[in-house]
Amino acid sequence: EAQVTQNPRYLITVTGKKLTVTCSQNMNHEYMSWYRQDPGLGLRQIYYSMNVEVTDKGDVPEGYKVSRKEKRNFPLILESPSPNQTSLYFCASSPRVNTEAFFGQGTRLTVV
Amino acid sequence: DQQVKQNSPSLSVQEGRISILNCDYTNSMFDYFLWYKKYPAEGPTFLISISSIKDKNEDGRFTVFLNKSAKHLSLHIVPSQPGDSAVYFCAASDYTNAGKSTFGDGTTLTVKP
Repeated sequence: EAQVTQNPRYLITVTGKKLTVTCSQNMNHEYMSWYRQDPGLGLRQIYYSMNVEVTDKGDVPEGYKVSRKEKRNFPLILESPSPNQTSLYFCASSPRVNTEAFFGQGTRLTVV
Repeated sequence: DQQVKQNSPSLSVQEGRISILNCDYTNSMFDYFLWYKKYPAEGPTFLISISSIKDKNEDGRFTVFLNKSAKHLSLHIVPSQPGDSAVYFCAASDYTNAGKSTFGDGTTLTVKP
């Protein structure tokens, strides 16, 4: 089954403790992205990647890192999480530019 | 500067009637527009898209209209069904800024039986 898989689905952590949210897709898509969804703010793009070893900042990259060492994986790294990073995070992949994105089920992160 | 706006946070319609969801954008470089539907506790799923070279695209009960001069697009759902109740996001991208997508805030549609 074609899918985007994020882990974990839920995470509660403390301020400053490094964490990684994994994202994997099995559709051989070139493009992958990370978004955060906050009430009243829609989906905001954090980082995106157009291919292996090619990443770029989205609209809200501060406090996040990403890597794309393999085509299928695009982990999101929070080196020192803060409470304002409490949010619902989505990973997405697309086969190419200007096509629909396939989203994961989301990761609800709480930083206390 | 919010480049994609959905000015109606919510919309309620009766089953069988038409639902019209609206989206405005400011960036004239946008050349591809999409609508996504999102149910609670799930990721968004693609619904329908339109390229800037077209002004209409239809897929079953869903039609998207694009008015480039007004920088406005709309999603029509006819007839509306209770299962259409969800949050709808409008999104836009431009080919020259490959990979970057901009989403609106979403409109919550409720279809009453």
